[in-house]
Amino acid sequence: QKEVEQNSGPLSVPEGAIASLNCTYSDRGSQSFFWYRQYSGKSPELIMFIYSNGDKEDGRFTAQLNKASQYVSLLIRDSQPSDSATYLCAVRGPGGYQKVTFGTGTKLQVIP
Amino acid sequence: DGGITQSPKYLFRKEGQNVTLSCEQNLNHDAMYWYRQDPGQGLRLIYYSQIVNDFQKGDIAEGYSVSREKKESFPLTVTSAQKNPTAFYLCASSALGGTGNTIYFGEGSWLTVV
Repeated sequence: QKEVEQNSGPLSVPEGAIASLNCTYSDRGSQSFFWYRQYSGKSPELIMFIYSNGDKEDGRFTAQLNKASQYVSLLIRDSQPSDSATYLCAVRGPGGYQKVTFGTGTKLQVIP
Repeated sequence: DGGITQSPKYLFRKEGQNVTLSCEQNLNHDAMYWYRQDPGQGLRLIYYSQIVNDFQKGDIAEGYSVSREKKESFPLTVTSAQKNPTAFYLCASSALGGTGNTIYFGEGSWLTVV
């Protein structure tokens, strides 16, 4: 079982719709969870992080965390063509370790 | 400006050569990381370091080596033992402690074997 799993996509949504991206992780002791956006040929850029169960909103983005189900998601409201990118889920390990593991990413295509 | 500087941005390696990728950060971060990304793939951890003169192997450390002699610097050497080194290499850093410490990335280095 992979430590961090994402559906590779592509996930296609029409402009203005809500895009829902999902991620599961295997280590129940994981502490914090990050969503990054990566355009082709570029380095990842942080969208947001979450570490408490529930929802966290930042503009058009909402991260949702369910530690019991070991599941984290990212919702993008009012999707724009500029949101078309690969979205990477990252998980920081438990305890004092700083190891951060990334999923393989989900490619999002927003259709104008 | 604060940030992470990787160099060179593009590098070509001949078979049997060792090459070193530079990574410097002025964010005063304790933790530094090296990731490898293959086309259409996610990021795989090569090495990480939480403190000067200490580092840990990640998931794909074979064929790579690192050093951490200064807090600001974490160079990665791709040795001739790495049989398939063509990839996009990303250096990153973060503060230590706390649950929200974010990993920040450099712009990456493209390594191609010729």
